[in-house]
Amino acid sequence: GAGVSQTPSNKVTEKGKYVELRCDPISGHTALYWYRQSLGQGPEFLIYFQGTGAADDSGLPNDRFFAVRPEGSVSTLKIQRTERGDSAVYLCASSLTHGRGYNEQFFGPGTRLTVL
Amino acid sequence: GENVEQHPSTLSVQEGDSAVIKCTYSDSASNYFPWYKQELGKRPQLIIDIRSNVGEKKDQRIAVTLNKTAKHFSLHITETQPEDSAVYFCAAYMNRDDKIIFGKGTRLHILP
Repeated sequence: GAGVSQTPSNKVTEKGKYVELRCDPISGHTALYWYRQSLGQGPEFLIYFQGTGAADDSGLPNDRFFAVRPEGSVSTLKIQRTERGDSAVYLCASSLTHGRGYNEQFFGPGTRLTVL
Repeated sequence: GENVEQHPSTLSVQEGDSAVIKCTYSDSASNYFPWYKQELGKRPQLIIDIRSNVGEKKDQRIAVTLNKTAKHFSLHITETQPEDSAVYFCAAYMNRDDKIIFGKGTRLHILP
């Protein structure tokens, strides 16, 4: 079946602009995660959703970052007033469920964000 | 919170030889340890994992060992092949926080 998909694959924007990154999880997966991966680093946790609600947003670096998952499927990561330091690959992952022990997370291909 | 240290950051191994990547974690409540492989420009993919009630797990040429007392775990790849060249990430999952924390990765080069 289809895996996790993310759009766009690449996004170039100017400092100060607003961007939206989209994630389509695997059908039936209730848990969805956003990570940020900077060059030469491991994925850094940002936020995860269980269903429609953000169960843990402790990884969001500041209030310029926000994510939604209104219908419990597709999620959008929103970044306001982008800064050059936001440049990174933004990875989305989904898993069958969350809690009660770990379930494998399946990653999307990522969106490479470049802020000029 | 959990912290995961991974070493080395880069590793070059002759084809056919073995490669070992080591990780340590800080929180003794961590109970699940996956390893991900990420090829250039591709997404991370799970290659093997181990739970805290097991000391070792093997899958063909790949094995993972866990020492709960010392809070470290290692990935072992034997008979390395060119397609093993990639970045490998260890991670630790803690039930209490419900999230996984990744190490910074090891770039493995298999030399011909």
